[in-house]
Amino acid sequence: EVQLVESGGGLIQPGGSLRLSCAASGFSVSSNYMSWVRQAPGKGLQWVSIIYRGGSTYYADSVKGQFTISRDNSKNTLYLQMNSLRAEDTAVYYCVRSEAPGDAFDVWGQGTMVIVS
Amino acid sequence: SYVLTQPPSVPVAPGKTARITCGGNNIGSKSVHWYQQKPGQAPVVVIYYDTDRPSGIPERFSGSKSGNTATLTISRVEAGDEADYYCQVWDSSSDHWVFGGGTKLTVL
Repeated sequence: EVQLVESGGGLIQPGGSLRLSCAASGFSVSSNYMSWVRQAPGKGLQWVSIIYRGGSTYYADSVKGQFTISRDNSKNTLYLQMNSLRAEDTAVYYCVRSEAPGDAFDVWGQGTMVIVS
Repeated sequence: SYVLTQPPSVPVAPGKTARITCGGNNIGSKSVHWYQQKPGQAPVVVIYYDTDRPSGIPERFSGSKSGNTATLTISRVEAGDEADYYCQVWDSSSDHWVFGGGTKLTVL
């Protein structure tokens, strides 16, 4: 079964760091285009970052220089390192898959909640 | 940065047709995906590449584009269609994904 399972969320003080993990099953993260999407409480979806199949990474302006996306192919896991966290980073963080640039997000994790307070 | 504009809410009576719009500059040159999100759940794609429907999505869901507007149309609306809907495009000039602000579909 194709699945994404996030972990690592929690309550963190402003200025702190957190690393989110997203374990994939049923497919290879290295063969796909993996993104993080977040949703603040009661708000809409916001794309955060993407890592290409070839390893290139891109970030939303709001997190550039603050967040780092990476993957461990041997563990088939995607990561999001979040530093210097602020209250406005409070959100549910989803990892998602697209099979090519521009393809829709066809697989979503259940999300992990990050509360900065 | 590229911006997608959606109405905050669309009310519709059961059995009627709902149309949710998504406006963006030169959106005709971009491919639009649509997602449905019910409370407490992750989003699900309901339309991809403007008009394509994933397996398992009812034929009542359809997508179209005209001028600077993409539209998600839901025919014969059911109570179970009540959800938030988001449009999305890939901005290849910046390698960024962009979401619309979302539209809450309310079934009266």
